[in-house]
Amino acid sequence: NAGVTQTPKFRVLKTGQSMTLLCAQDMNHEYMYWYRQDPGMGLRLIHYSVGEGTTAKGEVPDGYNVSRLKKQNFLLGLESAAPSQTSVYFCASSYPGGYNEQFFGPGTRLTVL
Amino acid sequence: GIQVEQSPPDLILQEGANSTLRCNFSDSVNNLQWFHQNPWGQLINLFYIPSGTKQNGRLSATTVATERYSLLYISSSQTTDSGVYFCAVELRGTYKYIFGTGTRLKVLA
Repeated sequence: NAGVTQTPKFRVLKTGQSMTLLCAQDMNHEYMYWYRQDPGMGLRLIHYSVGEGTTAKGEVPDGYNVSRLKKQNFLLGLESAAPSQTSVYFCASSYPGGYNEQFFGPGTRLTVL
Repeated sequence: GIQVEQSPPDLILQEGANSTLRCNFSDSVNNLQWFHQNPWGQLINLFYIPSGTKQNGRLSATTVATERYSLLYISSSQTTDSGVYFCAVELRGTYKYIFGTGTRLKVLA
């Protein structure tokens, strides 16, 4: 089991460019999440999904879009990157119900110049 | 919205010392997790503990949901315990987790 994987690990963008971050999990988890972590801070929820074909907004959704076309994948898109989106992005997945324990991927470090 | 506060914000220990980290939350929650973020940025699951007490080696955790706090105990600390410790709570009636502010721990050899 690979667990939760994220692609790419690092990326540098110029302001206005677009990109997609891929999260994949092989644990058959229903729930998936995207977070961002800024230097010296905790994680903040961007968007999440409670099942294939469903997405919902978290705490800081502006400037991001997501899609969950397959149960095992959760994509995070930046349509027009801004320097304020420089951050480390973490994906997580969990199994629903009473035991909703989250498992995290290794993160993607994104710099927007 | 819910507030999740951790204390202390920073902690420096000598190897072998014990410590207690605290997580306070301002509203009822479904679940609570403790994570360790190591110096390489990886988030490691420590405990899934919506209530009660659990132990795993030198670490243990207690959550008193009715009083809205959780404690993480680290005994006989080692340099590899260094990093940032986060608690995260799942909001009642949602599937969303909110992270605390973190405690940055440094263990000196």
